[in-house]
Amino acid sequence: DAEITQSPRHKITETGRQVTLACHQTWNHNNMFWYRQDLGHGLRLIHYSYGVHDTNKGEVSDGYSVSRSNTEDLPLTLESAASSQTSVYFCASSLLGTDTQYFGPGTRLTVL
Amino acid sequence: SQKIEQNSEALNIQEGKTATLTCNYTNYSPAYLQWYRQDPGRGPVFLLLIRENEKEKRKERLKVTFDTTLKQSLFHITASQPADSATYLCALDILTIYGNNRLAFGKGNQVVVIP
Repeated sequence: DAEITQSPRHKITETGRQVTLACHQTWNHNNMFWYRQDLGHGLRLIHYSYGVHDTNKGEVSDGYSVSRSNTEDLPLTLESAASSQTSVYFCASSLLGTDTQYFGPGTRLTVL
Repeated sequence: SQKIEQNSEALNIQEGKTATLTCNYTNYSPAYLQWYRQDPGRGPVFLLLIRENEKEKRKERLKVTFDTTLKQSLFHITASQPADSATYLCALDILTIYGNNRLAFGKGNQVVVIP
C-alpha cells in the first residue's frame, strides 16, 4: 500500500546541533509539505514543494531548510537547533491539481 | 489581519446527539475549505472538502456547510459515537506571495462524545 512515512518518530537533540527529519511518500505525489504543531498555534507551514527542485517558504521557515532531489522525499533540516524548535513535525503530500493532503505520523522533536 | 478561528473549548456531547463545530475566518477569500480529523499522537486525516459554490456537503454521518457571506463553515456529526471523539481541524485554501496556493489551518476543536 502507498504511504507516507517519517523518521525518526522521536528525537532528542541539543541546542546548536544540525538535525534532519526524513519524509518519504510512495504515492508519487508532486506536492509535499512540512508543518509544525504546537499547543496554542495549531498547524503552521514551514516549507513546501510542488515538484523536484522546487521549494517555497511557509509562514515559519526561519531556521529550517528543505531540498527536493526526487519525487518521494522531502527532508527537513534544522541548521542549528534551538529550544524554540521543540515541537511535533508533520509531513504531508498531495497530488498535483488536487487539494487533499495526506499526513505522515509525525516526529516529536525535543531540543535541550 | 488574517484569522481562522475555531472554538478552543472542547465540545462534550452525549452519544447519539449531533455535534456542531464552527470555523470562522477573516480577511481570506478561499476557493474551498476542508475539514480534517486528528487523533492524539497521529497526523490529521482528511474528511471533507467543500467549494465556494457549494452550500452543503455530506459524507455518511458528516455534514459541512460553507457560507462565504458570513465567512463561516459549520461541521456536523450526526448520531455521534464515542469513536468520533477527536480534534477536528478546518483548513482554508489561500493564495501565497508566490502566486501558488496552500492550506492554512485553524487550531482545531476537540470533541468528546460521552457514552
